Amino acid sequence: DTGVSQDPRHKITKRGQNVTFRCDPISEHNRLYWYRQTLGQGPEFLTYFQNEAQLEKSRLLSDRFSAERPKGSFSTLEIQRTEQGDSAMYLCASSLQGPTETQYFGPGTRLLVL
Amino acid sequence: AQKVTQAQTEISVVEKEDVTLDCVYETRDTTYYLFWYKQPPSGELVFLIRRNSFDEQNEISGRYSWNFQKSTSSFNFTITASQVVDSAVYFCALREYGGATNKLIFGTGTLLAVQP
Repeated sequence: DTGVSQDPRHKITKRGQNVTFRCDPISEHNRLYWYRQTLGQGPEFLTYFQNEAQLEKSRLLSDRFSAERPKGSFSTLEIQRTEQGDSAMYLCASSLQGPTETQYFGPGTRLLVL
Repeated sequence: AQKVTQAQTEISVVEKEDVTLDCVYETRDTTYYLFWYKQPPSGELVFLIRRNSFDEQNEISGRYSWNFQKSTSSFNFTITASQVVDSAVYFCALREYGGATNKLIFGTGTLLAVQP
């Protein structure tokens, strides 16, 4: 059983550019989450999908952020017109809905906006 | 409102010492889940334990043990005979049961440094 994978692991971009990150969840998991983590802080929730439906978005997710999970499998997170404040680790997690539900995290994508 | 507090920012111990990481949570729900995750320098969050609000039994797994006390809203984590490989940031997290959200609310983490 392979874990959650994320691509790329690192991304350096210039302010104003668009970036896209990909997350591949554990294959049988129907729920997928995106979190953002800045230095010295715990992860903060951004958005969550159940199958292909985006069920919740945080107020942290400005209009420049968009996430998709078109076929209920992998997901993408796009940031348009990046700002220096977007520099962070972006973490993806997946889980299987149920009484023992546990979110398993990927290795993250570290974004640096210059 | 949901909140998780990890008051210890950093802890440094010498190998083989026991160490306890504190976690205090706030929630209005009667049904909820608590978690501990480990984040080594590589950055990936590793799941350690899940506990639901109905189960106040303490749990032991090897050198790890967890003490859940609803009366004080605490879910503390003890590492016995610490090892250098235990050095990491440890996060406590809360998830409320049911409703529209399944997100985890994390504390700010405790950096544990185990010196040889």
